[in-house]
Amino acid sequence: SAVISQKPSRDICQRGTSLTIQCQVDSQVTMMFWYRQQPGQSLTLIATANQGSEATYESGFVIDKFPISRPNLTFSTLTVSNMSPEDSSIYLCSGSGTTSRHNYNEQFFGPGTRLTVL
Amino acid sequence: SQQGEEDPQALSIQEGENATMNCSYKTSINNLQWYRQNSGRGLVHLILIRSNEREKHSGRLRVTLDTSKKSSSLLITASRAADTASYFCATDGGGTYKYIFGTGTRLKVLA
Repeated sequence: SAVISQKPSRDICQRGTSLTIQCQVDSQVTMMFWYRQQPGQSLTLIATANQGSEATYESGFVIDKFPISRPNLTFSTLTVSNMSPEDSSIYLCSGSGTTSRHNYNEQFFGPGTRLTVL
Repeated sequence: SQQGEEDPQALSIQEGENATMNCSYKTSINNLQWYRQNSGRGLVHLILIRSNEREKHSGRLRVTLDTSKKSSSLLITASRAADTASYFCATDGGGTYKYIFGTGTRLKVLA
């Protein structure tokens, strides 16, 4: 299966600052997604990262707060802007639709970025 | 919003016993996936089951799918302490390619 890496793995940030999380896949994937997992909760989809165009955001998430880039089929970034303590979560990148896979629809995940905002 | 709900929310069993977790979802699907998450770590993909499949096996894992009831179950046989984790189901809402996650079941296997 494809392998996803994320950087940084964790960070502690001050209120009002921004953090950019990088997601790298070791093979081309059709779809990439960003999720948030708040402490003790399940995963919530933030947006679909579209190659070469604006990301598609889910209800409750906006581009000004979570700008996303996807310049090619193996890389994406998520920025958490103007952070507040409520943004403290694990942020996970995922990918699906890799042409080298047997199960095209299988979605696999990076290790996550644990963000703490003080 | 979450597409699926899982029950039980938490499950504690003895090593060697079987663990069954259930997932119910709201809209029609093409695929349903089960994941495991160890504390504070990323998600590990366990099984993908398609809407035209009723059962799949992988080692000690058995997944069933009943599309008429919009439900799925994950059975872990002969559980081990290393199976202690949270388990999530995720559904694609009928072919949107984006997966929405259920609430999860926290499984604790006691040695």
